[in-house]
Amino acid sequence: QKEVEQNSGPLSVPEGAIASLNCTYSDRGSQSFFWYRQYSGKSPELIMSIYSNGDKEDGRFTAQLNKASQYVSLLIRDSQPSDSATYLCAVPGDTQGGSEKLVFGKGTKLTVNP
Amino acid sequence: DVKVTQSSRYLVKRTGEKVFLECVQDMDHENMFWYRQDPGLGLRLIYFSYDVKMKEKGDIPEGYSVSREKKERFSLILESASTNQTSMYLCASSFRLMGNQPQHFGDGTRLSIL
Repeated sequence: QKEVEQNSGPLSVPEGAIASLNCTYSDRGSQSFFWYRQYSGKSPELIMSIYSNGDKEDGRFTAQLNKASQYVSLLIRDSQPSDSATYLCAVPGDTQGGSEKLVFGKGTKLTVNP
Repeated sequence: DVKVTQSSRYLVKRTGEKVFLECVQDMDHENMFWYRQDPGLGLRLIYFSYDVKMKEKGDIPEGYSVSREKKERFSLILESASTNQTSMYLCASSFRLMGNQPQHFGDGTRLSIL
């Protein structure tokens, strides 16, 4: 059973700071990684995908992948109160019916304080 | 943009009723998924489908069934609703290609069973 671990938090940072969210995974062969943002009472929204070692930047968001250490991180620069949400990490899981499922972490709750 | 539409945002039903949750996607995705999300338990996969009329059990299929008669539509059925099925239900879809396939979520249905 492939697993994804995240620190549940809550993680609290002041406005303008860098928020760092981490995720570790069990399957060394995983090739793709996804970060979702979920506001309270809402559904998960895909915000980043990363497929190769190193960093991928998109605006204030940077995803970092280290396959050797089996972790993926999400950095949020210049954090805003609107970034307050739960962030879910997901990696491909088992194949069933010729299709890949995703394994989701339970999420890290981030609060950005004005 | 991917659009996954769930028929209801909020639904209240009574114990023993048969409940239908509908999901439609407009991106020609082969895969469709039903999850439930409860505090502290994360996302749990109920059923998924990788093609019309095909279905696979997820981690918690007991008490549920599904139907996929058309590619764009995936229905979740609670055969005889019980109070422990009160939850947030999330539908998602993705392409069937192996690897690198994120899932896209609908807005969710918050279901209360009284």
